[in-house]
Amino acid sequence: EAAVTQSPRSKVAVTGGKVTLSCHQTNNHDYMYWYRQDTGHGLRLIHYSYVADSTEKGDIPDGYKASRPSQENFSLILELASLSQTAVYFCASSGLGGLSYEQYFGPGTRLTVL
Amino acid sequence: GQQVQQSPASLVLQEGENAELQCNFSSTATRLQWFYQHPGGRLVSLFYNPSGTKHTGRLTSTTVTNERRSSLHISSSQTTDSGTYFCAIDRSSGSWQLIFGSGTQLTVMP
Repeated sequence: EAAVTQSPRSKVAVTGGKVTLSCHQTNNHDYMYWYRQDTGHGLRLIHYSYVADSTEKGDIPDGYKASRPSQENFSLILELASLSQTAVYFCASSGLGGLSYEQYFGPGTRLTVL
Repeated sequence: GQQVQQSPASLVLQEGENAELQCNFSSTATRLQWFYQHPGGRLVSLFYNPSGTKHTGRLTSTTVTNERRSSLHISSSQTTDSGTYFCAIDRSSGSWQLIFGSGTQLTVMP
C-alpha cells in the first residue's frame, strides 16, 4: 500500500510563530495535497501540487504557504500561526490514471496554537 | 460548485446489524472515494468507485453516476467498524481536487 508519512505528529505552537509541517511519500505519485480537519467536520483542501517546484491553492489557502522541493516532499508553512489554525492536518498523494486517482493519506499532524 | 451530502449524520447499531450509508452530490462526479476514519484519526481509503459496484469483505460500495449518489453497505457490523465514514467527490468533472462530505459517525455496540 501507498506510504505517506508526516512530521511532526503533533505540535504546540505560539500565536504569531512560524510552523512547518512536513510530508513525505514513497509512492512515486505526482500529486500531493494538504488538508485541514476541524473537530467533527470533514476535510478541506488547503494547497496541492502536481509537480515539484509548483503549488496550487485549494479551498482555504489564506494564512498558509506550501512548498514542493521534490516529488517526494511537500511542506505546509504557517508564517504567523493563529488560534484559528488549531486543527488536524493531513497530507495525501495520488498518481495519474486509473486507480492511481485514489488518494492515500498520511497519519495526520495535530496542531495546537496557543 | 459541487456539494456533497452524507446521511445519516450518525448511526448506532447493535453488533451484527447491517448499515447503509448514503452520499449524494450535486454535480456529475468522475472521481469518488470512500474513506474510513479511525477513532484515533487515521484515514483509510475503502473504495475508489466513481461508478458501479465494488466489494471488499463485508463492505459494498454502489455508485449510480447519473443519479448522483453512492452508498456504502456494511454487513454484519462489528464493534471495530465504529468510526467515521466519509465520501469525497471531485470538485468538478475531472478535477484533482476532492470535496469531502461531513461524514457519518458509526457506533457499533457489543
